[in-house]
Amino acid sequence: GDSVTQMEGPVTLSEEAFLTINCTYTATGYPSLFWYVQYPGEGLQLLLKATKADDKGSNKGFEATYRKETTSFHLEKGSVQVSDSAVYFCALPGSGGSNYKLTFGKGTLLTVNP
Amino acid sequence: NAGVTQTPKFQVLKTGQSMTLQCAQDMNHEYMSWYRQDPGMGLRLIHYSVGAGITDQGEVPNGYNVSRSTTEDFPLRLLSAAPSQTSVYFCASSYQPGHSSYEQYFGPGTRLTVT
Repeated sequence: GDSVTQMEGPVTLSEEAFLTINCTYTATGYPSLFWYVQYPGEGLQLLLKATKADDKGSNKGFEATYRKETTSFHLEKGSVQVSDSAVYFCALPGSGGSNYKLTFGKGTLLTVNP
Repeated sequence: NAGVTQTPKFQVLKTGQSMTLQCAQDMNHEYMSWYRQDPGMGLRLIHYSVGAGITDQGEVPNGYNVSRSTTEDFPLRLLSAAPSQTSVYFCASSYQPGHSSYEQYFGPGTRLTVT
């Protein structure tokens, strides 16, 4: 079945460091891909998405490129801030008519120190 | 527009007690779902609904019941609470399948402890 494998954390960085969180997936066809973020004490919110191969999603300085050759959707940010401290989830929608059923990775906790 | 709301925010139950977690959305979304979040496990789907009167089981449905009598509300019932149900519960909603934007919107969560 469909699955998402996400880099395990926790990840601790200093402010202005470069961030990469790896995500690979197994799925039929070429589904859309999502990154969600969960700030402390809050629910999840969509950070960015890509709807087809070679698309690049971007938001708040974060980017992720949909690579079908490597079935990957790695999250990157060039210069992290303390306010980026959160848990990040890679997610994959179900296939066919079930595209609203998301499969999540296990999440990566990011802590950014001043 | 309040989005997805959940009540209560925190709850402590004794083993064997029952309770209902409330979820409501005001975006006229057809699809609603319940997830539980446990350390190291990510989010796992408990139950979901694709419209009023229609519900189905997700990955971990045992011990939980749902109903969907209106588009707006999707309560989750714990029939007889067990310590294994200690978790953070999230409700989410989205547009119907096939919509160009099927992003899921999440509520703030309910933190449940069963002793």
